[in-house]
Amino acid sequence: NAGVTQTPKFQVLKTGQSMTLQCAQDMNHNSMYWYRQDPGMGLRLIYYSASEGTTDKGEVPNGYNVSRLNKREFSLRLESAAPSQTSVYFCASSGVTSRSGNTIYFGEGSWLTVV
Amino acid sequence: AQSVTQLGSHVSVSEGALVLLRCNYSSSVPPYLFWYVQYPNQGLQLLLKYTSAATLVKGINGFEAEFKKSETSFHLTKPSAHMSDAAEYFCAVSDVNDKLIFGTGTRLQVFP
Repeated sequence: NAGVTQTPKFQVLKTGQSMTLQCAQDMNHNSMYWYRQDPGMGLRLIYYSASEGTTDKGEVPNGYNVSRLNKREFSLRLESAAPSQTSVYFCASSGVTSRSGNTIYFGEGSWLTVV
Repeated sequence: AQSVTQLGSHVSVSEGALVLLRCNYSSSVPPYLFWYVQYPNQGLQLLLKYTSAATLVKGINGFEAEFKKSETSFHLTKPSAHMSDAAEYFCAVSDVNDKLIFGTGTRLQVFP
């Protein structure tokens, strides 16, 4: 009963390095999301994908790129990491049908530190 | 634009006391509203959601929330707090494509 699986769980990067966070869901969901969580700011949407083959910017997309590889997988890439990108990253998915108000299911999070 | 405001970043209650976590929303259309709970070092878990079927929504772990359109509120309550309820709670409103817009969270502490 995996749900949303994201890797790695912990990562330390040096400023300027690149890395990719991987995410996969096994619920046949259409939509997938990447959020970041920072103290006192709640969760903010970085990018989302409403369906396979489409991606759109969220509230805080600068410094990130995404790829919706197929219906199951949605990766987040940091091309040149900056200390401001130190955060906890959550992948999420929703929506077997086209109705609104679908529940969003979250992964366990990836703790990223940029030094 | 849709938004939610959570009043109180920290709430402390005694075990057995009423839990009340406040959430007010702003939406130009009938909203879909959610409460999520996050335990330390874990992801977010859905507590309950409002999708216009009933104004009083019951969730898991004894929590419930009442949608009040006149007050643009969706406060979360539990009659009797348990130590295991200590966590961070997020209110959220659903935007187009199910994108969630979150409040800044309320950390609940429960004292014995």
